[in-house]
Amino acid sequence: SAVISQKPSRDICQRGTSLTIQCQVDSQVTMMFWYRQQPGQSLTLIATANQGSEATYESGFVIDKFPISRPNLTFSTLTVSNMSPEDSSIYLCSVPGSRITDTQYFGPGTRLTVL
Amino acid sequence: AQSVSQHNHHVILSEAASLELGCNYSYGGTVNLFWYVQYPGQHLQLLLKYFSGDPLVKGIKGFEAEFIKSKFSFNLRKPSVQWSDTAEYFCAVSGNTPLVFGKGTRLSVIA
Repeated sequence: SAVISQKPSRDICQRGTSLTIQCQVDSQVTMMFWYRQQPGQSLTLIATANQGSEATYESGFVIDKFPISRPNLTFSTLTVSNMSPEDSSIYLCSVPGSRITDTQYFGPGTRLTVL
Repeated sequence: AQSVSQHNHHVILSEAASLELGCNYSYGGTVNLFWYVQYPGQHLQLLLKYFSGDPLVKGIKGFEAEFIKSKFSFNLRKPSVQWSDTAEYFCAVSGNTPLVFGKGTRLSVIA
């Protein structure tokens, strides 16, 4: 298993601003995932972040809105840009076991409220 | 594309009652199936998983789930719930992609 931490744990932001969320893993991993959980909804995959290459975004998510960095094998950031109230969600990072379809281990999440 | 349906949005049970949470998935190929649990204020954590073999899998805290391939189902069960089982439960599936989650079922156990 992996131990994952996220910063900040929560934040309240004004519309039009940006917030960068950090994700730190206690071991080296090739892939990291970023999910969004909107109020009353399921977890939705935003993108897969691979070290050394550009992130792969799921349908409905674009790099301009959710730029991702992956500078090394234990760290990643997700930025939520030009925020609107619709971006109010919990954002989670996760890492898989040995394969992409394996068990995933999740961070505690970042609860974002946009006013 | 993969999808997951969880039939119950909110379930309220008395302590010692039996639990069954429904989960159906849509995917034509081989899948891995998971149940995750999120206790109030805590991380998402794995409850149990099915990759292959015996379709009845046992997880932590007395939970079990049965994979019925013909019904595309992976229902979660527990014979006797406790107040501490109050949590949100998510069914998830992975075929050839990272996990796809259902919308979750909130379980409230009352004394």
